[in-house]
Amino acid sequence: QLQLQESGSGLVRPSQTLSLTCAVSGGSIRSSDYSWGWIRQPPGKGLEWIGNLYHSENTYYNPSLRSRVTISGDRSKNQFSLKLSSVTAADTAVYFCARGSGDFGDILDSWGQGTLVTVSS
Amino acid sequence: QSVLTQPPSVSAAPGQKVTISCSGNTSNIGNDDVSWYQQLPGTAPKLLIYDNNKRPSGIPDRFSGSKSGTSATLVITGLQTGDEADYHCGTWDTSLSAWVFGGGTKLTVL
Repeated sequence: QLQLQESGSGLVRPSQTLSLTCAVSGGSIRSSDYSWGWIRQPPGKGLEWIGNLYHSENTYYNPSLRSRVTISGDRSKNQFSLKLSSVTAADTAVYFCARGSGDFGDILDSWGQGTLVTVSS
Repeated sequence: QSVLTQPPSVSAAPGQKVTISCSGNTSNIGNDDVSWYQQLPGTAPKLLIYDNNKRPSGIPDRFSGSKSGTSATLVITGLQTGDEADYHCGTWDTSLSAWVFGGGTKLTVL
């Protein structure tokens, strides 16, 4: 059974870089059948797509975040990571990692439990 | 402000039926398939409907989806207290080149 688990710093200072990792078990990020993505949810608000990783090396980002986002994969550890630079309070959110299926990898069929990241000095 | 528009809340009694709408435009819902996600309190979203009207394995047929033009609809019949959750719609937006979601709809089972 596929499992995804987010980890990383829960508190980030303004202007610093947010770093999170999603460990995948029960599946491989090398698989060409799936994409691996990050989605966030500010407190009390809706979901916002951040970006996806395809074939553990190709990426696609939300244009509104593209200048600050990097998603990368580590095949040896079967995990993928998110880096978001120059954070502000507006980046405070629960961050989820998820697997994408379907022709374009955009059906988010399995999610991690999420991790709260707070941006504060 | 979300790209897709959902009602903030809906409510109905146990055993009844509820409809949740998701409105977009020709760049998103009018151009691509819609997925729906159920988010129980304090948990991660869970795929409920994909490709407008398909249910993943394990999702009961009390949940159904449809799409017409630039709007999509989630229907839940035989409401149970365990259905109380936030429901999110999502699709690809060709103008924004981004996957977009609605603001979410909170379902209360009275």
